[in-house]
Amino acid sequence: EAGVAQSPRYKIIEKRQSVAFWCNPISGHATLYWYQQILGQGPKLLIQFQNNGVVDDSQLPKDRFSAERLKGVDSTLKIQPAKLEDSAVYLCASSLGLSGGARFFGPGTRLTVL
Amino acid sequence: SQQGEEDPQALSIQEGENATMNCSYKTSINNLQWYRQNSGRGLVHLILIRSNEREKHSGRLRVTLDTSKKSSSLLITASRAADTASYFCATDQGNQGGKLIFGQGTELSVKP
Repeated sequence: EAGVAQSPRYKIIEKRQSVAFWCNPISGHATLYWYQQILGQGPKLLIQFQNNGVVDDSQLPKDRFSAERLKGVDSTLKIQPAKLEDSAVYLCASSLGLSGGARFFGPGTRLTVL
Repeated sequence: SQQGEEDPQALSIQEGENATMNCSYKTSINNLQWYRQNSGRGLVHLILIRSNEREKHSGRLRVTLDTSKKSSSLLITASRAADTASYFCATDQGNQGGKLIFGQGTELSVKP
């Protein structure tokens, strides 16, 4: 079974530039999550999708971050414009359903904002 | 906001020894999960314990849950150098659409 795929693996940008991350979840997983993990901390949930609908985006900085999951499969997370404090690893995860259960994580995208 | 608090923040042991990591949380939960993260990699799910369970085993892993104290522990027996990683507890609060909240993690170093 193929795991969660993410690209790119690494990205370096200047502040105020924009960046986009892509995620392809495990086939058949209805729920998709984007997490932000700052160095030395645990992952923080940014947004959660159930199929192509948003379940929770309470911690997404909506003035600069946006995410979509068209057709309920792949997802993209965009930051525009980026700030220095956005430097982090962005992790995508998926799970079978909405309630409980293990999350399956991708390898993450390491973003450095200079 | 972070819910789980792991203790200790860092742990260094010799191969063959047991490693114990603790996690405390604040609100009622549906289940609690433990994940491992190797340096530069994504998280790997290790074990899930439901709120009505007290202990669970998986290979060399043993997890306990005390809902009255709002705490959990992860025991890795007969540790190996390959167990070197960060370990995170995560609480599923159930009533928030399955929202999983991670702690800060314990960094485990197993020396050969």
